[in-house]
Amino acid sequence: DQQVKQNSPSLSVQEGRISILNCDYTNSMFDYFLWYKKYPAEGPTFLISISSIKDKNEDGRFTVFLNKSAKHLSLHIVPSQPGDSAVYFCAAMGGGADGLTFGKGTHLIIQP
Amino acid sequence: DAGVTQSPTHLIKTRGQHVTLRCSPISGHKSVSWYQQVLGQGPQFIFQYYEKEERGRGNFPDRFSARQFPNYSSELNVNALLLGDSALYLCASSLLLDASTANYGYTFGSGTRLTVV
Repeated sequence: DQQVKQNSPSLSVQEGRISILNCDYTNSMFDYFLWYKKYPAEGPTFLISISSIKDKNEDGRFTVFLNKSAKHLSLHIVPSQPGDSAVYFCAAMGGGADGLTFGKGTHLIIQP
Repeated sequence: DAGVTQSPTHLIKTRGQHVTLRCSPISGHKSVSWYQQVLGQGPQFIFQYYEKEERGRGNFPDRFSARQFPNYSSELNVNALLLGDSALYLCASSLLLDASTANYGYTFGSGTRLTVV
């Protein structure tokens, strides 16, 4: 049973526009949510996180929104740049020693 | 500063064999965790170690084992390899093992690509 779901395997966005990546979760015990970016042949790179007690966190071009009642979060990238083309993983963590629970990822393609 | 280093980068093994994967965390990081990423899926948590003790374990069979050494480096061992063990194995390190890790995330290595034939 998947506890973290990314229902869009891929997303194509024009350069300069907003990219919105979505993630749903089922486990109410998750305390934090993280977004990672992954290029081929590299490990995932941390982008941004949000605590379950907040509804928004912003870092430069990246903003994560959390809707706890809907068990939904989204990552907004504005403006989208060619270097943003990668696979984006949504991940959740609970009590610290349980590791991260990842979604299947969304392949973001930024078109010129 | 060196990031998380994993060795080897690629490995081909035969079914039934044993494999050892190695990971060196970022200097000063005391926690190491291991993940398995099968093609088309997200990474799946295998183990977490902190201060040389196992602190968390994912839903993997006993064929998978790990340990952490006094210098905080770690090994992942897999016995009796199956074709389904073919995957990218990722190691991640963090300074501590608490919620503060969420503020900066775990730092991942580039992984070891294991192919079982």
